[in-house]
Amino acid sequence: DADVTQTPRNRITKTGKRIMLECSQTKGHDRMYWYRQDPGLGLRLIYYSFDVKDINKGEISDGYSVSRQAQAKFSLSLESAIPNQTALYFCATSDYLDTGELFFGEGSRLTVL
Amino acid sequence: AQSVSQHNHHVILSEAASLELGCNYSYGGTVNLFWYVQYPGQHLQLLLKYFSGDPLVKGIKGFEAEFIKSKFSFNLRKPSVQWSDTAEYFCAVIKPTRSNDYKLSFGAGTTVTVRA
Repeated sequence: DADVTQTPRNRITKTGKRIMLECSQTKGHDRMYWYRQDPGLGLRLIYYSFDVKDINKGEISDGYSVSRQAQAKFSLSLESAIPNQTALYFCATSDYLDTGELFFGEGSRLTVL
Repeated sequence: AQSVSQHNHHVILSEAASLELGCNYSYGGTVNLFWYVQYPGQHLQLLLKYFSGDPLVKGIKGFEAEFIKSKFSFNLRKPSVQWSDTAEYFCAVIKPTRSNDYKLSFGAGTTVTVRA
């Protein structure tokens, strides 16, 4: 089983719909992250959380929200999806030492029509 | 602001050819450096990392990278590529800190296509 699990893996939705992407991890890491990947832009950080009570905005948080339900769970929501949120979304974890080494999930491909 | 530049967007080469991917960063001071690889349809995984010590770092699958502090560079190399090295490669840089000021930055990525 994967250490970092994302659901759904693929989702097609319509403009204006609310979407939630979920992430769970079995690595026991305190720190969790949501990134989006777009061709030619690499990975950009949406939100990150260093523990259950800590949520921080990344470089592109507008249009997104997150919830850290437990140490092992970190969900990303699009309250009203728009087409330019079509992307591949990755959840990642890291340990408390903040060495920068990330462990990624398999990715969630979201298409907003 | 910290930024990471990868010089090549797409590299195409034949099996057994040598590969070098450039990575430069703009952040001053002590940094941790990484190369991640994303094989087609898969998630990113760590290829190699540099925190300190010998600036020539050996990673998995025959890859290595050299940290040149004076040039703010961390180039990735492989002497002889295989078809299975076809993937997207990302350079990443972070300033180590215990604060909540998170500064891991990724480059835009380089797609490597190896032809059999």
